Amino acid sequence: EAGVAQSPRYKIIEKRQSVAFWCNPISGHATLYWYQQILGQGPKLLIQFQNNGVVDDSQLPKDRFSAERLKGVDSTLKIQPAKLEDSAVYLCASSLVNPPTEGNYGYTFGSGTRLTVV
Amino acid sequence: GENVEQHPSTLSVQEGDSAVIKCTYSDSASNYFPWYKQELGKGPQLIIDIRSNVGEKKDQRIAVTLNKTAKHFSLHITETQPEDSAVYFCAASLDRGSTLGRLYFGRGTQLTVWP
Repeated sequence: EAGVAQSPRYKIIEKRQSVAFWCNPISGHATLYWYQQILGQGPKLLIQFQNNGVVDDSQLPKDRFSAERLKGVDSTLKIQPAKLEDSAVYLCASSLVNPPTEGNYGYTFGSGTRLTVV
Repeated sequence: GENVEQHPSTLSVQEGDSAVIKCTYSDSASNYFPWYKQELGKGPQLIIDIRSNVGEKKDQRIAVTLNKTAKHFSLHITETQPEDSAVYFCAASLDRGSTLGRLYFGRGTQLTVWP
């Protein structure tokens, strides 16, 4: 079974520029999540999709972050304009069921995109 | 919202020794507690998880215990090996409400196993 695919792996941009990240979840996983992981901290949820609908975006800084999941499969996360404090690893995850539960019904994370804003 | 505290932040053990990482949570309604291992440059990988109706779960050298009354859970790794070296995260989740499915993570424990 293929894992969660993310691209790019690394991105360096200047502040005030825009950037977009892409995620392809595991086939058949209806729930997709974007997490932000700042260096030295645990991941924090930005947005959660169920199929192509938003379930939870309460932690998403909507003045600069946006996300979409067209056709309920791939997803993109965009930042515009970027700030220095957006430097982090952006992790995409998917799960077969919501809420996630034990074993194969838990989360699977991608390898993430490391963003550096200079 | 839920608050998960994790200790210690760093842990060094000799190969073959045991390692224990502890977490506490604040919301008594949390009922799913996964543990993740994150190696450098990779995403978190689920290593073991437990639901609140179970007090202990074991998978080979790894075990998790849960004390619902005290609202804490722990990861136990026995017979540690150098390849166990990584950052370990605990997390908690609720199966109801507006935060359905959201994982609340601790800050992580850097485990180093010396040969």
